[in-house]
Amino acid sequence: DIQMTQSPSFLSASVGDRVTINCKASQNINKYLNWYQQKLGEAPKLLIYNTNNLQTGIPSRFSGSGSGTDYTLTISSLQPEDVATYFCLQHSSKYTFGAGTKLELK
Amino acid sequence: QVQLKESGPGLVQPSRTLSLTCTVSGFSLTSYGVSWVRQPPGKGLEWIAAIWSGGSTDYNSALKSRLSISRDTSKSQVLLKMNSLQTEDTAMYFCARSGLYYWGQGVMVTVSS
Repeated sequence: DIQMTQSPSFLSASVGDRVTINCKASQNINKYLNWYQQKLGEAPKLLIYNTNNLQTGIPSRFSGSGSGTDYTLTISSLQPEDVATYFCLQHSSKYTFGAGTKLELK
Repeated sequence: QVQLKESGPGLVQPSRTLSLTCTVSGFSLTSYGVSWVRQPPGKGLEWIAAIWSGGSTDYNSALKSRLSISRDTSKSQVLLKMNSLQTEDTAMYFCARSGLYYWGQGVMVTVSS
């Protein structure tokens, strides 16, 4: 099974900061990588699919990049409403989630 | 629009079998697959099982021996059964359409005597 290593597990940043979250797969996942945002008590919300495709309705400050085994979610200018936990998901072979990154305001 | 809704017992005794139902609308189960994902309180997400549009199934390797996923296309329902429940199976259980683009709100399952 494919393993996903997500980092960091915790991130504290200020409004306006550029924030990056990383996921590393245990093997090439051919850009089959999604990013989700989850707020307390809610279901995960799809932000980015297949590495760099912005889901409809998601602000353009969110972007994704990567290839092979290494992938990144970037928030270009952090907003207060972005406080949440972020997960990556590989869907190249079955599904595997990263462990999550809890993002808080400094 | 695409909707998924989970239903289940809420509380299950240890060693018993959990049965969950995902009722979908806005799409056909013969066109899209459905997965189950769970999340223990305060922890991360774990994919459990999927049933694909053609009816084939896939399972999380670590849980496979305890799981069964099936569907009733006439009722637009996907059924998950997990046996030999332990307290570690306490979690929010979500169903999601294939690709995990659309999710239900989840149903909380507590394993306790």
